[in-house]
Amino acid sequence: ETGVTQSPTHLIKTRGQQVTLRCSSQSGHNTVSWYQQALGQGPQFIFQYYREEENGRGNFPPRFSGLQFPNYSSELNVNALELDDSALYLCASSLITDTQYFGPGTRLTVL
Amino acid sequence: DAKTTQPNSMESNEEEPVHLPCNHSTISGTDYIHWYRQLPSQGPEYVIHGLTSNVNNRMASLAIAEDRKSSTLILHRATLRDAAVYYCILRDGGNTPLVFGKGTRLSVIA
Repeated sequence: ETGVTQSPTHLIKTRGQQVTLRCSSQSGHNTVSWYQQALGQGPQFIFQYYREEENGRGNFPPRFSGLQFPNYSSELNVNALELDDSALYLCASSLITDTQYFGPGTRLTVL
Repeated sequence: DAKTTQPNSMESNEEEPVHLPCNHSTISGTDYIHWYRQLPSQGPEYVIHGLTSNVNNRMASLAIAEDRKSSTLILHRATLRDAAVYYCILRDGGNTPLVFGKGTRLSVIA
């Protein structure tokens, strides 16, 4: 059984660019949640996908969007990057109401 | 969302027990108490959860007050690998996201 993996590990972008982050869920899990963690803070919920449909969203603007694929892997897309988008982006997979298993995260730096 | 209050930081000696407190005075009857921890440079990791009764697993024990307004995560013998930020989170039984606070940063001294 493989755990949750994320790619890339680190990423540097400039303001205004677009970025796509990827997450592979743990085997058998049908739900993926994305979180943003600023330095020194706890993770903040961005959105959740269940069986390829968005199933809940936190207080993030529409330029944060996502996809979940039939194999339950997922992407997080961020358009028009801002300096404040610099953070660790975490994905977590689970069965719908079960324990969430987190990946190691993608560190995004926006210059 | 019901909120939790945790100390910002705690320190423990290696091989000593550690009691990490969490207050949640506005907890509702359907809220489960979850604990996650985040080791340096890693994503959060599930530790334990409970509703009313005390719970034990291979990582830790969870002691829940009778009125459920507070709980304590117990690490029976702290090791250097237990140094992490520990988050106490309330989550109802439905499909709700995890709401993280700032957690407690645990330092373990050799």
